[in-house]
Amino acid sequence: KAGVTQTPRYLIKTRGQQVTLSCSPISGHRSVSWYQQTPGQGLQFLFEYFSETQRNKGNFPGRFSGRQFSNSRSEMNVSTLELGDSALYLCASSLLGQGVNTEAFFGQGTRLTVV
Amino acid sequence: LAKTTQPISMDSYEGQEVNITCSHNNIATNDYITWYQQFPSQGPRFIIQGYKTKVTNEVASLFIPADRKSSTLSLPRVSLSDTAVYYCLVGGKTSYDKVIFGPGTSLSVIP
Repeated sequence: KAGVTQTPRYLIKTRGQQVTLSCSPISGHRSVSWYQQTPGQGLQFLFEYFSETQRNKGNFPGRFSGRQFSNSRSEMNVSTLELGDSALYLCASSLLGQGVNTEAFFGQGTRLTVV
Repeated sequence: LAKTTQPISMDSYEGQEVNITCSHNNIATNDYITWYQQFPSQGPRFIIQGYKTKVTNEVASLFIPADRKSSTLSLPRVSLSDTAVYYCLVGGKTSYDKVIFGPGTSLSVIP
């Protein structure tokens, strides 16, 4: 059974640009959630999608957005990049939209560097 | 919203049992306790989840006292490959429940 796939694994962008990250969940999982991890702030929840609907949202500015497609694949977009957006972005999939407070499976992440 | 408190770091020798305690004084009735393990530059990996008493699986045990204000993750006979950060999460099991990761406990296993 294939795990959670995130692409790309590494990305370098310039301040002011925008970026789109992709996450393919485990087959059959309908929930995808996104997290930002930095040395200073640790793991922070961005948002969760279930059946193409955003169900939960963390405390991030509107520059961070996401969507989920009918095949459960999800994309996360960050517009007008700032240096502070440099981080490891992780997505997790779970069955039936139960979030990480149950058995969620994480991808290896996308390392975004903003210069 | 239940906040969790864990030791920032722990050291242990190979072959020993390691117990990591998490405090969650404000745990709600519908909250579960979930533990994740994370290696550098990888996503967290689910270890175990419980609601009360004791839960055991092939990699760990989770002890939860009757008042549920704390929990202890027990790793039997640790090896060098258990060196990682361990996160304790407390929350409900629906998409609408808040998700807060604490700083976790950095476990170093010494040969």
